[in-house]
Amino acid sequence: RKEVEQDPGPFNVPEGATVAFNCTYSNSASQSFFWYRQDCRKEPKLLMSVYSSGNEDGRFTAQLNRASQYISLLIRDSKLSDSATYLCVVILGGANNLFFGTGTRLTVIP
Amino acid sequence: GAGVSQSPSNKVTEKGKDVELRCDPISGHTALYWYRQRLGQGLEFLIYFQGNSAPDKSGLPSDRFSAERTGESVSTLTIQRTQQEDSAVYLCASSRNRDNEQFFGPGTRLTVL
Repeated sequence: RKEVEQDPGPFNVPEGATVAFNCTYSNSASQSFFWYRQDCRKEPKLLMSVYSSGNEDGRFTAQLNRASQYISLLIRDSKLSDSATYLCVVILGGANNLFFGTGTRLTVIP
Repeated sequence: GAGVSQSPSNKVTEKGKDVELRCDPISGHTALYWYRQRLGQGLEFLIYFQGNSAPDKSGLPSDRFSAERTGESVSTLTIQRTQQEDSAVYLCASSRNRDNEQFFGPGTRLTVL
């Protein structure tokens, strides 16, 4: 089983829609979680960290569910500029273990 | 401030040649990572440096790949006797320490003919 799994998509949604992605992780000792965004032929860029209590940044909401071992990213009022691949990152504390998901491709359609 | 920089941005080489890729991390970042990303694929971890500790080389795909880092500064990734399957974008990232978010460089696009 992979350490981190994401639905590769693609997710094709109309402008203004709400879309959510999940990322499951296999190791319950995982301690740090992040969502990155990667545009086509560009490097990944941090979108937001994921805190235990959940966190929101404008139209983006990230949540952590430790019991079910997944993190989620919710995007409200989708914009064309949200089209990208969204990568989740899971870090195991105390060891050199950092895992990227393979990414979920989102396309927002006019 | 300055972000992570990588050079060259593009490298075209012939099969069998050696290549050296460079990464300048953000000043003060103790952790440095190298990844490989093939076209349309996810990130593949290669190697991780943390301060003066021994690097985590568990992701290096073969003994043709090696990397060095001088203290907490520049890192070089060397690929010897390149093969066509080495063609990919090689991304470097740095972070303040192990558990902090990573900042990526623009990558080096390697093409092996």
